[in-house]
Amino acid sequence: NAGVTQTPKFQVLKTGQSMTLQCAQDMNHEYMSWYRQDPGMGLRLIHYSVGAGITDQGEVPNGYNVSRSTTEDFPLRLLSAAPSQTSVYFCASKRANTEAFFGQGTRLTVV
Amino acid sequence: GDSVTQMEGPVTLSEEAFLTINCTYTATGYPSLFWYVQYPGEGLQLLLKATKADDKGSNKGFEATYRKETTSFHLEKGSVQVSDSAVYFCALNEGGSYIPTFGRGTSLIVHP
Repeated sequence: NAGVTQTPKFQVLKTGQSMTLQCAQDMNHEYMSWYRQDPGMGLRLIHYSVGAGITDQGEVPNGYNVSRSTTEDFPLRLLSAAPSQTSVYFCASKRANTEAFFGQGTRLTVV
Repeated sequence: GDSVTQMEGPVTLSEEAFLTINCTYTATGYPSLFWYVQYPGEGLQLLLKATKADDKGSNKGFEATYRKETTSFHLEKGSVQVSDSAVYFCALNEGGSYIPTFGRGTSLIVHP
C-alpha cells in the first residue's frame, strides 16, 4: 500500500499566485485533513473532510480552499499565496477511533 | 474542549540515557491516546497507542501507560540512541470522533 501520497514535495510560489497541493490515500479512509506545521506552533488544522462531498473548516482555514469529490483525493488550494503561508503542509487520513496516517509533507515557500 | 499538554523541548540526552517525555490531557470522555514520531524531513508516524485505562503501548523500546487517574500518557525509553532524535507528538482521539487533538511536539536530540 502507498498510504498517503502528497505532491509536490517542494514548491516555491510568488506572492499572489495560486496552486493546488495534492493528497491521495489508498486505504479507503473516510476522514482526511490538512495541517500546516510552523516552528513553535505544532500542527494546526486547516480543513478536514469526513467523506466525499463533505468538508469543514479547521483552526486556520483563511486563504485555503478544499473539495472532496472522491474518497481517495483531498486537494488543498491556495487561492492567492501570501508569505504568511510559507510552511510545511501535511495531509492525513484515518478511520474513526484509530490512528492517523500522514503524508511526507509539502514544503512551500512564498516569496 | 479537549487538549494535550507536552513538556517543552528540546530534550537533549546522551546516548544510552533514560528518556521521559511528559504528556497530560484533558478530555470529556474516554479517549484513545497516541504517541507519534516525526523524523527530520518526514511526516508523522504512529509510534504507539493505548485505547483504555491501564493499557500500556510499546514499540521500538518505547513505552507509555494510559493513566486515567492522573490523565497522563508519559513516553519512556530505557536507553536512547542517536537514531531516536526526532520530534515526538502526544495525541488523543475521543471515541466516535474523527478529529485528533495533538500536543505541540517535543524535540529530542541524542548526542553520541
